[in-house]
Amino acid sequence: AQSVTQLGSHVSVSEGALVLLRCNYSSSVPPYLFWYVQYPNQGLQLLLKYTTGATLVKGINGFEAEFKKSETSFHLTKPSAHMSDAAEYFCAVTRNAGGTSYGKLTFGQGTILTVHP
Amino acid sequence: GAVVSQHPSRVICKSGTSVKIECRSLDFQATTMFWYRQFPKKSLMLMATSNEGSKATYEQGVEKDKFLINHASLTLSTLTVTSAHPEDSSFYICSARGTGKAEAFFGQGTRLTVV
Repeated sequence: AQSVTQLGSHVSVSEGALVLLRCNYSSSVPPYLFWYVQYPNQGLQLLLKYTTGATLVKGINGFEAEFKKSETSFHLTKPSAHMSDAAEYFCAVTRNAGGTSYGKLTFGQGTILTVHP
Repeated sequence: GAVVSQHPSRVICKSGTSVKIECRSLDFQATTMFWYRQFPKKSLMLMATSNEGSKATYEQGVEKDKFLINHASLTLSTLTVTSAHPEDSSFYICSARGTGKAEAFFGQGTRLTVV
């Protein structure tokens, strides 16, 4: 079974500061990992994903995340926060191809990012 | 590409009535669709997985007779909340995945309010 833990339900940063949202996972098989962003009353938008290959993944809006197998982590970062980054962020894990639960996502609890002027 | 449209975006219904939510993949064939429920200030919980042409697989604790899922075509899945009650009020989100793809694309969600 998979699980995802996002450390910190709320993160507050100043505009221009580094954004770091933490995600740790557990999975019995090689994971595919995702970060999504959700604005109020909207669906989820994919920021980036890790499947195989390069462990440093770059996504949209200047976000990136690094898959660290030894630490079972997939933390999301952005060098310089912008006001428009204020939203809720979800880390998710799915099984690799081939399993019956392939494509089913297990989400973390979400982290609300606040950006101060 | 990979657009998933969910309709309606908001719905208010009376207690005891049924509500149907549609999830459409507009530019790809969705062999699998997933239905999630998001409680206020909570994460998303998978309700069920549906494959085109077959019965949906429900997660433990989800009442299949209350949340009817139909996936009759490769571009459309529907979730019907039957005999809705105020506790069914929630944000429902679908996602759709094409054959052999890791990524599932999400609809914009439906805010259901039962009064």
